[in-house]
This record gives sequence, structure tokens and C-alpha cells, in this order.
Amino acid sequence: DGGITQSPKYLFRKEGQNVTLSCEQNLNHDAMYWYRQDPGQGLRLIYYSQIVNDFQKGDIAEGYSVSREKKESFPLTVTSAQKNPTAFYLCASSIFGGPHNEQFFGPGTRLTVL
Amino acid sequence: DQQVKQNSPSLSVQEGRISILNCDYTNSMFDYFLWYKKYPAEGPTFLISISSIKDKNEDGRFTVFLNKSAKHLSLHIVPSQPGDSAVYFCAASYAGGTSYGKLTFGQGTILTVHP
Repeated sequence: DGGITQSPKYLFRKEGQNVTLSCEQNLNHDAMYWYRQDPGQGLRLIYYSQIVNDFQKGDIAEGYSVSREKKESFPLTVTSAQKNPTAFYLCASSIFGGPHNEQFFGPGTRLTVL
Repeated sequence: DQQVKQNSPSLSVQEGRISILNCDYTNSMFDYFLWYKKYPAEGPTFLISISSIKDKNEDGRFTVFLNKSAKHLSLHIVPSQPGDSAVYFCAASYAGGTSYGKLTFGQGTILTVHP
């Protein structure tokens, strides 16, 4: 079954700790994305990668970092510099990073910082 | 600056009737629009899309209408079913510049279909 896997589904961390969210896809998609969803708001783009070893900042990249060493994987690190890290994080992928491609989403990770 | 807006936070419809979800955008460079459906604690799933060269696209019970002059699109669901109850997001994108491939989402509309 092809798809996008995000783990874990729920994550709890203490304030001041860095935490890494996993995202893996076996769809052979070139492009991958990270979004954040807060209550009552739409999805906001954190980072995206159109190809391996390359990525760009989205609208709200401050306090986050990513890597894209493999086509299948695009982990997101939420650093202690992120002021409001508690949110629902969604990873997505598309066949390539063009403008007319639907993005396929993973199930999401809910991060709670205590 | 909210470039894609869904001004109705919620919509309640009777089963079998039509559901109409609306979306407005401000950026005239957007040339591709998508609708996603999302259940709680799950990722969004793609429903239907439309290119700016069209004004209508249909897929089964779902039809999307685009009015470029008004910068408005709508999603019609006919007939509505209880399983359609979810949050619906519209999204937009355009080619070119640093925004290549990026989707801009609206805030979402919660649709509730009553049996």
C-alpha cells in the first residue's frame, strides 16, 4: 500500500526540548511538504522540498528545521526557538513540485509541549 | 494577509439536500484551485480541483465552480450524505517565482449533514 506515514500520532515534550517528527512516503514523489494546523486556522506551510538535498522555507519556518537526505524521508525538527510549538503537524507529498499537483497528506502528528 | 478565505466557519445541511461551500481569494495570480476534506485527527484528502482556464469541474456528487472575475469558487455536494460531515478546505496555487507549487489554504468550513 502506497502512502505517507507520520509517527508518532501523539507526542509530548517538555518546554525547551527539541523534537523531531518523522515523515516517510513510498509514493516515489519528488516533492514533500510540512504544514502546521492550529484551531480555527487553515494549514500553514513550514518547509517544502522539491528534490533530494534541497528545501525551501515556507511562510512560518522560524523555529523549525528540516533535512531531505533521502527521497522517501523529510523529518521536521521543532526547536526550542519555536515560540508556540503545540499544534497538529501534517506532512504531504506530490509527484513533483509543480503548481498543478495535488498533494497527498499523512495522518498527522499532534505535538503538545508541556 | 489571508489570500484565501472561507468566510463561513460552519454549515449545517439536511441529508439529501445540496451543500454549498464558498471560498474567496485575493491573489489574481492563483491559477489552480483544490478542495480537500478533513476528518478530525486525520490528514486532509483531496476531493476535486479546477484550473483557471475552466469555470466548472464535476466528479460524481462534487462540482466545483470558479468565477475568476469575482475571485470566488464554490463546492457543491449533491446529494449530501452524513458521511460528508467533515472540515472542507479550499486551497490555491500558481506557477512562478518562489511560490512555485506552494498551496495556500483557507481556514476551513465545518460541514454537518443531518440524517
